[in-house]
Amino acid sequence: EPEVTQTPSHQVTQMGQEVILRCVPISNHLYFYWYRQILGQKVEFLVSFYNNEISEKSEIFDDQFSVERPDGSNFTLKIRSTKLEDSAMYFCASSEGQGNSGNTIYFGEGSWLTVV
Amino acid sequence: SQQGEEDPQALSIQEGENATMNCSYKTSINNLQWYRQNSGRGLVHLILIRSNEREKHSGRLRVTLDTSKKSSSLLITASRAADTASYFCALGAQKLVFGQGTRLTINP
Repeated sequence: EPEVTQTPSHQVTQMGQEVILRCVPISNHLYFYWYRQILGQKVEFLVSFYNNEISEKSEIFDDQFSVERPDGSNFTLKIRSTKLEDSAMYFCASSEGQGNSGNTIYFGEGSWLTVV
Repeated sequence: SQQGEEDPQALSIQEGENATMNCSYKTSINNLQWYRQNSGRGLVHLILIRSNEREKHSGRLRVTLDTSKKSSSLLITASRAADTASYFCALGAQKLVFGQGTRLTINP
């Protein structure tokens, strides 16, 4: 079964450094997402991306964050000037169509980011 | 925004028994999705049920939806140790909103 793949699985970074998390969505999918889960807390929506632009973002997704689809297969999340509170599991997800059209959203295994 | 709340927060049963988890929500929905998360791992999609559907099956999983009561249930029959995980219902379109989940423990 096709799956969303994410790299790295775990990254440790110094506070203030920039981090890029990478994702390869399922190949025929058109909608891409980033979510995060701070340890012990709920999974939170960050951003959705369609047709090469952000379609929706949460208040968490401020100027520190950016997303990009640099080529036909990758989807990246960049976190600038990381803070301790950015430590979390970051999930990439994708769907063929919009979720409210009954399209399943598939998640990757996550990238665990630790900021020290 | 839409949010489902799972109940119970934790459930511990013996292997072979059935496990039932519930999800309640407050707004109207187009569909509802159930996910499983093993500790420290990714979210695995289980079932999507549309608002015009009342029941869906997938293997040992059975999901029901009662839009009049704004609730859904996930039944796992003949549970196995490998079913030990957290289970979430998720509502929304692009922006899925997750609850705290039900932590299911299957005891051998």
